[in-house]
Amino acid sequence: EAQVTQNPRYLITVTGKKLTVTCSQNMNHEYMSWYRQDPGLGLRQIYYSMNVEVTDKGDVPEGYKVSRKEKRNFPLILESPSPNQTSLYFCASSPRGLGYGYTFGSGTRLTVV
Amino acid sequence: AQSVTQPDIHITVSEGASLELRCNYSYGATPYLFWYVQSPGQGLQLLLKYFSGDTLVQGIKGFEAEFKRSQSSFNLRKPSVHWSDAAEYFCAVNRDDKIIFGKGTRLHILP
Repeated sequence: EAQVTQNPRYLITVTGKKLTVTCSQNMNHEYMSWYRQDPGLGLRQIYYSMNVEVTDKGDVPEGYKVSRKEKRNFPLILESPSPNQTSLYFCASSPRGLGYGYTFGSGTRLTVV
Repeated sequence: AQSVTQPDIHITVSEGASLELRCNYSYGATPYLFWYVQSPGQGLQLLLKYFSGDTLVQGIKGFEAEFKRSQSSFNLRKPSVHWSDAAEYFCAVNRDDKIIFGKGTRLHILP
């Protein structure tokens, strides 16, 4: 089944403890992206990648890192999480050319205490 | 600045009634346009998309949307809603290397 898989689905962590949220797609998509969703703010793009070894900042990149060493994987790294990063995170992928629209993962609900 | 506006944060309709969700965008030219649906606890699912050509596009789950260039709008419609349509709906546009989402409209269905 064609899908975007995120792990974990739920995560509670403490301030300052490094964490990684994994994202993997099995559709051979070139484009991958991370969004965070917060009440009243909608979805905001954190980082995106147009292909392997190519990443770029979205609208809210502060406090996050990403890497794209393989086409299928696009992990989101929080080096030193803070409570304002408590949010619902979505990974998404698309074939080359965003006109196809995204396939989204099921989301990761992160709580930083 | 490029933006997508969904004027209605919440909409409530009765089951069986018709539905229209509004979306306006601000761009210099016609972008790619999308509608997504997010059911509680789920990711976003693509309902339909518009690139060019026929301004009335059909999507999944009985939804359709109409692109109106003169109004910079891309409104989502459904002739008769079902209780399972209760969800949050997002309009989105694609320009350059980004997809930008509106803030969403939450749809409530009355039995």
